Order: sequence, then structure tokens, then C-alpha cells
Amino acid sequence: GAVVSQHPSWVICKSGTSVKIECRSLDFQATTMFWYRQFPKQSLMLMATSNEGSKATYEQGVEKDKFLINHASLTLSTLTVTSAHPEDSSFYICSARSTGESSYEQYFGPGTRLTVT
Amino acid sequence: AQTVTQSQPEMSVQEAETVTLSCTYDTSENNYYLFWYKQPPSRQMILVIRQEAYKQQNATENRFSVNFQKAAKSFSLKISDSQLGDTAMYFCAFMNPINAGGTSYGKLTFGQGTILTVHP
Repeated sequence: GAVVSQHPSWVICKSGTSVKIECRSLDFQATTMFWYRQFPKQSLMLMATSNEGSKATYEQGVEKDKFLINHASLTLSTLTVTSAHPEDSSFYICSARSTGESSYEQYFGPGTRLTVT
Repeated sequence: AQTVTQSQPEMSVQEAETVTLSCTYDTSENNYYLFWYKQPPSRQMILVIRQEAYKQQNATENRFSVNFQKAAKSFSLKISDSQLGDTAMYFCAFMNPINAGGTSYGKLTFGQGTILTVHP
């Protein structure tokens, strides 16, 4: 149980285009989902926290107009990188926390490798 | 704000031996959770072990155990009988208690990570 999927697993896009990454909780309902960015051999940097039905909360320094997050249902959150540039190339990971305030465990997706050419 | 520090960028160990990864953190909270995650070359994050701060007993999961020193704000991971499959990047992480009425939704703060290599 507690599986989180991400789609696509890797994507190449041209500079100036937008790309959408999906994060789904397959066998549980996720009140909260988190989006992280990771550069090679570095730690995970939290970009934003999304709660179902409300606006995402972005971490300091993350451009909310560039990284659009939509948590439309209890099983799906999307991250759209708008007007992508080569510096947006990175590994993006989502995680999901199940419903219930006492649920503290996060389940991670397998990640999406984005390359902007 | 909480900070998590892993002072060992890289570690290596021989198969079947024991290795300890260090982690310190800084917080003014009394209740919180601590985690160790493993990220193998596949880059899938895998939970290794967790510790609730209110529990004095150190958590253990098979070959993995922690040494939780609350007063010292230290949370080290010991891997016994190391196996080749333990080769991965290990992250220590801190989480505030979840408070849906406030601003804490279970956000994780990660340390810098330690790359562990197990040699045959």
C-alpha cells in the first residue's frame, strides 16, 4: 500500500515551453502533497506545500507564477513549469501525506527528470 | 526555523561491517519527529526508520537503529552487517507535529545527505 506515482518519469522540453508533472496517490487519499526539487548529489529542497482545494504555499525564493501547483483532488496534484529555461532542469519529486492529522508519514513518488534544451 | 546538519558528505564501509551516520538538528520545539531516508541510485526515497521525540527508547528496524539524544539534538543512524544494497545517499529529516489549524502540514526539513558506499 501507500504508493505514489509520478508522470512522466522523464521529459525533455524546449526553452520557453511549459511542462506539466502529475503526482498521484494510488491507494490512499492525500490531504497534503509536497513538491521538491533535487540537484545531483544534493538534498531535497521543498518548493511548495499543496492542500486539496486550496492554494499552494510556496517556500521563500520559489516563483509561484513559474511553478504552478494545482491540487484538484485528494489523489492528484500537478506541477506546471511555465516558460521553462535550462536552469529549470532538475529532478522533481513529490510526496503525499494521507488524510488525518495524526498521519505523519510521507510517501514519495519516484521523481521526474526534467531537461530543458 | 529548524535546521538539520549531516557533517559527513561521504562514508564507506566494508560489507558485513557496521557504520554510523551522524545527524544533528536545531529546534525550539519539544514534540517532533525524526526520520532517516535512503535514496539509492534509482532516486526513489525510501523510509528507513523514524523516531518520535517523546519516546525515549531508540527506534530499531532490523539492521538499522538510531541513537537519539534529545538534549544534545543528535540523531545518528547505525547500520549493522552492511550489505551491498545499502549503498545509497542517506538523508536525516525533521518534521514538526502536524497542526492543520496552524501552518504545519508535516513539512520535512532535510539534511545535506551522506553518500554511503558499501564495498565487497
